[in-house]
Amino acid sequence: GDSVTQMEGPVTLSEEAFLTINCTYTATGYPSLFWYVQYPGEGLQLLLKATKADDKGSNKGFEATYRKETTSFHLEKGSVQVSDSAVYFCASSGNTPLVFGKGTRLSVIA
Amino acid sequence: DTGVSQDPRHKITKRGQNVTFRCDPISEHNRLYWYRQTLGQGPEFLTYFQNEAQLEKSRLLSDRFSAERPKGSFSTLEIQRTEQGDSAMYLCASLSGGSTDTQYFGPGTRLTVL
Repeated sequence: GDSVTQMEGPVTLSEEAFLTINCTYTATGYPSLFWYVQYPGEGLQLLLKATKADDKGSNKGFEATYRKETTSFHLEKGSVQVSDSAVYFCASSGNTPLVFGKGTRLSVIA
Repeated sequence: DTGVSQDPRHKITKRGQNVTFRCDPISEHNRLYWYRQTLGQGPEFLTYFQNEAQLEKSRLLSDRFSAERPKGSFSTLEIQRTEQGDSAMYLCASLSGGSTDTQYFGPGTRLTVL
């Protein structure tokens, strides 16, 4: 079945550092890909998405590009802030319920 | 903006008791999903409705679990004879039947079984 693998955390960065969280997927066909963010005590919020190969999703300074050749959807941000501290989930959906990775906890320190 | 709402937000119960959770999706969304999230893990799919029809159930949904969406609007998830292993966050998400494929999540119901 479909699966998503993302880098394990926790990840601790200083403010203004560059962030990369790796995500790879296995799926039949070409799923849509998502990054969701979960702040402490809250539900999941959609951060960005891409629905086809070479699409780039972006939001709040975060970006991820749908790479079919490497089956990847890595999340990047050029300069993180303390407020970005949260758990980030990569997910895929090929006209089926979402399949999530295990999540990567990011802590940004001032 | 009325997003997805869930009630209650927290539930503490004793082993063996029954619990019921409610999810109210975004009003024009005809698809509704239930997921379970345990500590340190990503959400795992439980079941999904299109309107009032329950179209898919995960193997995670044991016979102690039942979900309904009687009028195609809100949904309930009931767990009978709760076990400590049922302790988790139960998340509901809804999706428009249109061109978008983005699921919007509620805040979740955190269940603790003592």
